[in-house]
Amino acid sequence: DAMVIQNPRYQVTQFGKPVTLSCSQTLNHNVMYWYQQKSSQAPKLLFHYYDKDFNNEADTPDNFQSRRPNTSFCFLDIRSPGLGDAAMYLCATSRDLGDLGYEQYFGPGTRLTVT
Amino acid sequence: QKEVEQNSGPLSVPEGAIASLNCTYSDRGSQSFFWYRQYSGKSPELIMFIYSNGDKEDGRFTAQLNKASQYVSLLIRDSQPSDSATYLCAVTGPGGSYIPTFGRGTSLIVHP
Repeated sequence: DAMVIQNPRYQVTQFGKPVTLSCSQTLNHNVMYWYQQKSSQAPKLLFHYYDKDFNNEADTPDNFQSRRPNTSFCFLDIRSPGLGDAAMYLCATSRDLGDLGYEQYFGPGTRLTVT
Repeated sequence: QKEVEQNSGPLSVPEGAIASLNCTYSDRGSQSFFWYRQYSGKSPELIMFIYSNGDKEDGRFTAQLNKASQYVSLLIRDSQPSDSATYLCAVTGPGGSYIPTFGRGTSLIVHP
């Protein structure tokens, strides 16, 4: 089945130790997103790519970086994780609905713990 | 600033009842409206999508959209304990926008 895959599903890192989260998709969608979601909050958009065009949300900390080497893969790098970065990180892709916009599909998420 | 508002709940309904979840949005130009279900510790799962005024039905789920009132709702008929989850409303703007604005979600509890 076509899908959005995230690895790892659970990641434990130490304070200040860089970590990379990965996302892959078999849907061939041209838009990919990274969200951060904390308990009882809405998903917060960090970045998105429209094809190779990278878009950084204004309030995304510099500590967060992203790479999209090809259509299928996208990475989230957290250079120096702090305790406040512990969260669920969600990757999503979008299907083009034409004038109606885009329909998003989420991966299973990576739960990041910072010790 | 585009806003999507949902009552955080929890909304508690008995098994077999109709659960009604509501969402209002601030951008009058919003075009497409999505409902996601999110179980605790899991990622959001798209369950309904609506873009025209009126009702859209899919199994036990009905989405209702009223653009004049800037209001979208999700009805779940014959609620089951397995429907217990947080329901997120998401809205995209006009012109083929691909950046949705999410509400904070409503927690639904269906008790036996």
